[in-house]
Amino acid sequence: AQKITQTQPGMFVQEKEAVTLDCTYDTSDQSYGLFWYKQPSSGEMIFLIYQGSYDEQNATEGRYSLNFQKARKSANLVISASQLGDSAMYFCAMREGRLSGGTSYGKLTFGQGTILTVHP
Amino acid sequence: GAVVSQHPSRVICKSGTSVKIECRSLDFQATTMFWYRQFPKKSLMLMATSNEGSKATYEQGVEKDKFLINHASLTLSTLTVTSAHPEDSSFYICSARGGLGYGYTFGSGTRLTVV
Repeated sequence: AQKITQTQPGMFVQEKEAVTLDCTYDTSDQSYGLFWYKQPSSGEMIFLIYQGSYDEQNATEGRYSLNFQKARKSANLVISASQLGDSAMYFCAMREGRLSGGTSYGKLTFGQGTILTVHP
Repeated sequence: GAVVSQHPSRVICKSGTSVKIECRSLDFQATTMFWYRQFPKKSLMLMATSNEGSKATYEQGVEKDKFLINHASLTLSTLTVTSAHPEDSSFYICSARGGLGYGYTFGSGTRLTVV
C-alpha cells in the first residue's frame, strides 16, 4: 500500500498567486515526521519544511506553510506568492518511528511528486 | 551548514564496466547513509541504508551484488554499480543522517548513463 500519496502529477499557478500541493499519508505509528522537498531540474533535493506528528501548530517557513490535518492524514504544502523560481518537482516524504538522538533515524518514504509550473 | 558532496555528478560508462559513486559529509559525521534511485520525473526509491562500519541493509528487490555499498568511515559512503547495463542508467542520490533539515542532508546526485 502506498504510504505517501501525491495525487497531482502537475500543477500550474500564476506568478504571485498561492498554490496548494496535496499530500496524504498512511501510517500506524503515533510518532512520525512529514517533510516537503523541492527538486529543480538540476536534481538537488532542497528541504522546505517539516512537521512532526506531535506538533500542534502548522509549520511555516517563509512563503511555505504546511496544512497539517492529522485526523485526515493530510499534509498539504501551501506556497504563497508564487515566483517563477518555484517551478520544480515537489515531493512529500514521511519518516516513521520515533526520532531519538544517538540511534539511526528512520528512512524517508517519498510520494510520487508534483511538477509545479509557475506562469508569468 | 551541513553539506554532503556527491561525485561524480555525471558519468557515462560502457556496458559491463563498474562505476563508483562517492558521498562525503564535509562538516558532520554521517553515521547513516541512505541511497536512492530516481527515474525521470519519478519518485525517489530507497535502495539501501548503510551504517558506518556495518553491512548495508538493502530494500526488497535491490540486488546487493550489483549495487555494492561501503560505509567505511563516518564521512564517506560509496555505491558501486557493478557490471553496469543500460537499464542501470538512472539518477542516484544519497542522503546522510545529520546536519540540517531535521536530520537529512542530500547529496547533489549522480546521473549515470550506461551505453
